[in-house]
Amino acid sequence: DTAVSQTPKYLVTQMGNDKSIKCEQNLGHDTMYWYKQDSKKFLKIMFSYNNKELIINETVPNRFSPKSPDKAHLNLHINSLELGDSAVYFCASSSAENEQFFGPGTRLTVL
Amino acid sequence: QQQVKQSPQSLIVQKGGISIINCAYENTAFDYFPWYQQFPGKGPALLIAIRPDVSEKKEGRFTISFNKSAKQFSLHIMDSQPGDSATYFCAAKASGNTPLVFGKGTRLSVIA
Repeated sequence: DTAVSQTPKYLVTQMGNDKSIKCEQNLGHDTMYWYKQDSKKFLKIMFSYNNKELIINETVPNRFSPKSPDKAHLNLHINSLELGDSAVYFCASSSAENEQFFGPGTRLTVL
Repeated sequence: QQQVKQSPQSLIVQKGGISIINCAYENTAFDYFPWYQQFPGKGPALLIAIRPDVSEKKEGRFTISFNKSAKQFSLHIMDSQPGDSATYFCAAKASGNTPLVFGKGTRLSVIA
């Protein structure tokens, strides 16, 4: 049973396109996150949702729009993709005890 | 300003040796300190975590040592194995709806 799943695993697209990444967790957690891992492996928080409400937005360009249809899902839509958006994007969810569980990641390559 | 500083960037250890990775933090509001292990092509996986009310936590071959006054914590991997070769991240978090703040990672290679 996969705890945090993401689709797709790989995404290759042209500059200027719009794309979405989906995330689902079956852990019953209230809080979900999106992180970006750059080419140097640095992990940085992008967004956090608690019970479908946005609670953290870390100065991410507004081309990135997260959407949480219910507390088990947190999707990430990216408009007008740029070369610098190429990275691995991780979804995560956390328990009330702060334990965060990460998905397998989506490697986005913008050409 | 980097809130969690991690060292070394890379580490090579002989099989059976002890791997030690260090982290220092600045924000005294942090009260949860996890370590994550990441293999290539995979997501970070929670390895072990500590809260500041204890100075040490051990789970199998993995031990966290925590020094609240120095604002430092470290991961010790005893009897290191080639299968431990991965990137290790320390992190810190304050209470409430706050994010994990990660160190920059340490690439560990355990050689036979």
